Amino acid sequence: KAGVTQTPRYLIKTRGQQVTLSCSPISGHRSVSWYQQTPGQGLQFLFEYFSETQRNKGNFPGRFSGRQFSNSRSEMNVSTLELGDSALYLCASRADGGRNIQYFGAGTRLSVL
Amino acid sequence: GESVGLHLPTLSVQEGDNSIINCAYSNSASDYFIWYKQESGKGPQFIIDIRSNMDKRQGQRVTVLLNKTVKHLSLQIAATQPGDSAVYFCAENPLGSNYKLTFGKGTLLTVNP
Repeated sequence: KAGVTQTPRYLIKTRGQQVTLSCSPISGHRSVSWYQQTPGQGLQFLFEYFSETQRNKGNFPGRFSGRQFSNSRSEMNVSTLELGDSALYLCASRADGGRNIQYFGAGTRLSVL
Repeated sequence: GESVGLHLPTLSVQEGDNSIINCAYSNSASDYFIWYKQESGKGPQFIIDIRSNMDKRQGQRVTVLLNKTVKHLSLQIAATQPGDSAVYFCAENPLGSNYKLTFGKGTLLTVNP
């Protein structure tokens, strides 16, 4: 079974631009969560989508948004990029019910110049 | 401005020794806990989980211990190998937070051959 796939792996943008990151979950997983990882703040929860609906949201500004498609693939968008948005963005998917084991992709490394 | 990195706790062990990685969690309402391993350039990888109604759970070469009285979690790795070198995170899932995971700061484990 293929794991969680994130594209692109690396991205360089400049301040003020916007960016879209993509995540394909493990086949059959309907829940997709996004996390931001930085040296200063560690791993922080952004939001979770389930069956195309945002089910949970972390404490990030409205510049961070996401969506999920009917095939469970998810995208996250960051508008008006700031230097502080430089981070590793991780996507995780989980199976329905039971244990909350979230399986992570390798991440997208975003650098904002 | 200057970003302040997390000063990760570090643990250095000799190959073959047992390792114990500790984690203090914050929310007494958390009912589910997970340990993840993150190698350089990769996303977090699931190791083992435990529910709050258990004190101990064993996997292959790993054991997780939960002490709810002092809100403490530990991961024991038996016969540590060089391939175990990574950053280890504990994560908690507070009751009522849906599937949002709150991660600890991580511990860097270095295994010396």
